[in-house]
Amino acid sequence: KQEVTQIPAALSVPEGENLVLNCSFTDSAIYNLQWFRQDPGKGLTSLLLIQSSQREQTSGRLNASLDKSSGRSTLYIAASQPGDSATYLCAVQTSGTYKYIFGTGTRLKVLA
Amino acid sequence: DGGITQSPKYLFRKEGQNVTLSCEQNLNHDAMYWYRQDPGQGLRLIYYSQIVNDFQKGDIAEGYSVSREKKESFPLTVTSAQKNPTAFYLCASSITPLATGELFFGEGSRLTVL
Repeated sequence: KQEVTQIPAALSVPEGENLVLNCSFTDSAIYNLQWFRQDPGKGLTSLLLIQSSQREQTSGRLNASLDKSSGRSTLYIAASQPGDSATYLCAVQTSGTYKYIFGTGTRLKVLA
Repeated sequence: DGGITQSPKYLFRKEGQNVTLSCEQNLNHDAMYWYRQDPGQGLRLIYYSQIVNDFQKGDIAEGYSVSREKKESFPLTVTSAQKNPTAFYLCASSITPLATGELFFGEGSRLTVL
């Protein structure tokens, strides 16, 4: 059974710092891994999607990497800003299933 | 603009009542999903649908029902049999269920049982 873990559960950093969020999963047979952002009381916004054949994806100040063999993904945020404060979730779609399994998220606070 | 619309945003229910949450998408996606989010827990899958007139139970389907009569619409009914319905409900869609496509979400509906 696929399990997705995100550590740490919460993180506070000063503005301008580069930071890394972690996501680990137990079954390496996946179709894809997706990173989301969620603001309080809102839905999830897709940030980056990494297909199983890819190693990384970039969008602006965000870079996500995928290492299937070790069951890990990282989301790198460069030059963090207070507007980056949100909860970040990762989700994997295990091969042969229709389900996306979510981690519990990392709550990020960027201090001005 | 294409997207997923959920309504209502907030809903209050008395015990013993059924309520229906609406989810409409104009992305022309085949697959649609309902998730429940509780504080401190990851999203949990309630139901999903791969195609019109077909749907499957997720991990926590007890006390919920769905229909998929149109491609664009996937309403969720929270029945009186659901013992702890107070939660944040999220509807999502993807282009096809087994494709390597993105999952998109609506803005959510918060249900509170009085």
